[in-house]
Amino acid sequence: AQSVAQPEDQVNVAEGNPLTVKCTYSVSGNPYLFWYVQYPNRGLQFLLKYITGDNLVKGSYGFEAEFNKSQTSFHLKKPSALVSDSALYFCAVRVYSGSARQLTFGSGTQLTVLP
Amino acid sequence: GAVVSQHPSWVICKSGTSVKIECRSLDFQATTMFWYRQFPKQSLMLMATSNEGSKATYEQGVEKDKFLINHASLTLSTLTVTSAHPEDSSFYICSASGLAGQTQYFGPGTRLLVL
Repeated sequence: AQSVAQPEDQVNVAEGNPLTVKCTYSVSGNPYLFWYVQYPNRGLQFLLKYITGDNLVKGSYGFEAEFNKSQTSFHLKKPSALVSDSALYFCAVRVYSGSARQLTFGSGTQLTVLP
Repeated sequence: GAVVSQHPSWVICKSGTSVKIECRSLDFQATTMFWYRQFPKQSLMLMATSNEGSKATYEQGVEKDKFLINHASLTLSTLTVTSAHPEDSSFYICSASGLAGQTQYFGPGTRLLVL
C-alpha cells in the first residue's frame, strides 16, 4: 500500500525567509508525486509534480520540490516566502501503474507566513 | 487550461432531502473523475472514482446507495447525496483527469450543510 507522511501540522516562517514543507512517501513501485495548495473554503490547486527525470521540479508561484529517492522524500521549498503563501499544503502520491489513478494524500501542513 | 468547476458552491438543505452536486471539466475531456470529502482541518478522503460511461467504484465504507455518482459524459459528473442527514454535512470536492491521467485537477468544492 502507498502512503504519504507530512510530519509537520504547522509551519511558521517570516516573510522573505526560505520555507520548506516536508513530505515523505512509501510506495512499492515508481512514484508520481504531487503538491497541492488549498486556500480556505476552496478546492485544491495544483502546484507541481514529479514523474521522472530531473529530481528538482519547479512549479507555480515560485515553488519547487526535490525528489530524493534514497530518503523517499519530496519536500516543497520556496526561496523567499510571501504572506500570500499562507495556506494548507498537501503532498500526494500515485504509483505509476497502468490504469490506477488514485492519489493518496498526506494529512496536510498549514503554512503561515508572518509579515 | 485544466479548469474544473463545481456547482453549487454552497448548499443548505433540510434533513431527508436529496442534494445534487455537479462537477464539470471546462476545457478538457475528463475520462476519470474523483469525488472527495473533507472535514475541517483534515485531509481529503476519496469517496469514489468514476470513469465515463461506467459505474463508479466506491471506497470501502462509502455507501453507494447514499452517494449516487453519475459520469454520463466526458465533461460532467454528478454526486447526489440522497436523504441527507446532518452527519453528511461536509466539504465535497471533485477532481478530474484526462486521458493521459497524470494529474488530477480539482474543483473549488461544495460546502453542504444539512439542518
